[in-house]
Amino acid sequence: DAGVTQSPTHLIKTRGQQVTLRCSPKSGHDTVSWYQQALGQGPQFIFQYYEEEERQRGNFPDRFSGHQFPNYSSELNVNALLLGDSALYLCASSPYFPERVNTEAFFGQGTRLTVV
Amino acid sequence: AQKITQTQPGMFVQEKEAVTLDCTYDTSDPSYGLFWYKQPSSGEMIFLIYQGSYDQQNATEGRYSLNFQKARKSANLVISASQLGDSAMYFCAMREGNYGQNFVFGPGTRLSVLP
Repeated sequence: DAGVTQSPTHLIKTRGQQVTLRCSPKSGHDTVSWYQQALGQGPQFIFQYYEEEERQRGNFPDRFSGHQFPNYSSELNVNALLLGDSALYLCASSPYFPERVNTEAFFGQGTRLTVV
Repeated sequence: AQKITQTQPGMFVQEKEAVTLDCTYDTSDPSYGLFWYKQPSSGEMIFLIYQGSYDQQNATEGRYSLNFQKARKSANLVISASQLGDSAMYFCAMREGNYGQNFVFGPGTRLSVLP
């Protein structure tokens, strides 16, 4: 059983460009969340997708957008890249139980984005 | 205000010894869950242990146990019999019942196990 897979693993982009990161959730999971982890910090929640809709969003600008496909896979898009967008981007999948606090999430290995 | 505080940026422990990683949290939600994740240099977050706010017993999972003190709002991770493979970043995270399924993570503690 494949866990959460993310692609690409590493990416270098120039300031001002746009980037798309991809995530395939663990089998049986229908919810995908994205996190940004700057160097030396804990992950910060970006947004969550369920049934192809954004269900929850953290404190990130509109330059960050996403999409979920019918097969539950997801994309994270970042426009007009800034140097400060350099980070590890983690995808987490889980079943959709928003009222349950004990739902475990499975994380991918992340995409390391460097903006130069 | 910080919802999750981890005051130890780095910790050292001798192989086979026990170590405690501190975590305090802040919430007004009566229903919440506390999680500990391990992040090796590969980047993947590995789930270790979970404690619910209504759980009466402290959680244990193999060599991991959680010292949950609800009144103090602390949820410290205890790793017994440390192994070299335990060297990694450790994150305390919280999920609150009124805020959906997203995690709030602390800044992490880097644990180094010495041979």
